Amino acid sequence: DAGVIQSPRHEVTEMGQEVTLRCKPISGHNSLFWYRQTMMRGLELLIYFNNNVPIDDSGMPEDRFSAKMPNASFSTLKIQPSEPRDSAVYFCASSLDGLADSYEQYFGPGTRLTVT
Amino acid sequence: TQLLEQSPQFLSIQEGENLTVYCNSSSVFSSLQWYRQEPGEGPVLLVTVVTGGEVKKLKRLTFQFGDARKDSSLHITAAQPGDTGLYLCAGIFSQGGSEKLVFGKGTKLTVNP
Repeated sequence: DAGVIQSPRHEVTEMGQEVTLRCKPISGHNSLFWYRQTMMRGLELLIYFNNNVPIDDSGMPEDRFSAKMPNASFSTLKIQPSEPRDSAVYFCASSLDGLADSYEQYFGPGTRLTVT
Repeated sequence: TQLLEQSPQFLSIQEGENLTVYCNSSSVFSSLQWYRQEPGEGPVLLVTVVTGGEVKKLKRLTFQFGDARKDSSLHITAAQPGDTGLYLCAGIFSQGGSEKLVFGKGTKLTVNP
């Protein structure tokens, strides 16, 4: 298996532009997670899906952020409009079964977003 | 707010030394995980501990979950340069009938040859 695939790996955009990050989870995994990592705040869970349904989006910072999972093999995280404070590394992860005690999350390589 | 405090934030040691890093909280977790993250990559799971007082060993790494399930430690024996990385702990807890996950900010370990 290729693991969790994220694209693009790097994104540089200007403030106010729309940014779309993409993720393909590991085949057969029922749960997908979006994280943001910064030096100041560490690794933060933004939202997670189980069987393509959003279960917990309490970590989504504000209405400028939205996430979708139209099918079991694809998810997007969109920021519109983007702001410099959104600059971070965004990770996607997948697991077999949500946050069950025995779960293991497999992380993608991340997308480094820079908003100027 | 459930918080996981990790210490130390940075640690630089020589190859062959032993070290311990800590993950502490005032809250109880149903389980706790340790991850290692290398530059430019996503975190990779090392271990999950579930039972208070549980000790797990992974080669030179020893993980312990506190009796009250509020804290955890990671001990590395005879550290090697390949152990260099960011060590993250993550805890799962119940809130409002659902499971929540929170990560600590990590300990950045550098092992010098």
